[in-house]
Amino acid sequence: KAGVTQTPRYLIKTRGQQVTLSCSPISGHRSVSWYQQTPGQGLQFLFEYFSETQRNKGNFPGRFSGRQFSNSRSEMNVSTLELGDSALYLCASSLDGQGRTEAFFGQGTRLTVV
Amino acid sequence: DAKTTQPPSMDCAEGRAANLPCNHSTISGNEYVYWYRQIHSQGPQYIIHGLKNNETNEMASLIITEDRKSSTLILPHATLRDTAVYYCIVRTISSGSARQLTFGSGTQLTVLP
Repeated sequence: KAGVTQTPRYLIKTRGQQVTLSCSPISGHRSVSWYQQTPGQGLQFLFEYFSETQRNKGNFPGRFSGRQFSNSRSEMNVSTLELGDSALYLCASSLDGQGRTEAFFGQGTRLTVV
Repeated sequence: DAKTTQPPSMDCAEGRAANLPCNHSTISGNEYVYWYRQIHSQGPQYIIHGLKNNETNEMASLIITEDRKSSTLILPHATLRDTAVYYCIVRTISSGSARQLTFGSGTQLTVLP
């Protein structure tokens, strides 16, 4: 079956702009989580959605937001982009959202802010 | 979730077993040990997880010590494609925070030809 799909794969934006990233989870998976990966901070948790509700949120400013649709697809939005937002953004889906099953990651979206 | 300690890097000869250690001395009774790996610029890939018994799947074996304070991931016959950063993560599965994975620095495994 198809894996987790993230679009776009690469993106270049200018400081001050906003960006929307998309994630399509594995069919049947209802939990979607987002992570940011930078060379300095490593992999950091952003937020997690289950059945269109945000259930858990990491320590990121309010410029980072997300949502989940009824078909479990998820988007994350970053407003007023800063140079430090340049990172690989990863989405992960899991079946039950309770941590009982493993998370499957997409290939990520590489965002560059110039 | 309990903190883990892994060596920053390891080398392994192709065809030999790769043994990656992880210390999690503060692990609690309801915390599982998970292993993921990340090949350069790709998303992390789930490998295996366990609670207290040793586990094996088609990718690897997980050996957890009896006191559960440390574990070892074993790749029985390492190939060049196993070169990656390997993350050991401990997490509960019964609380809200369990839904997130807390990644440390991991171990960079380099398989040498």
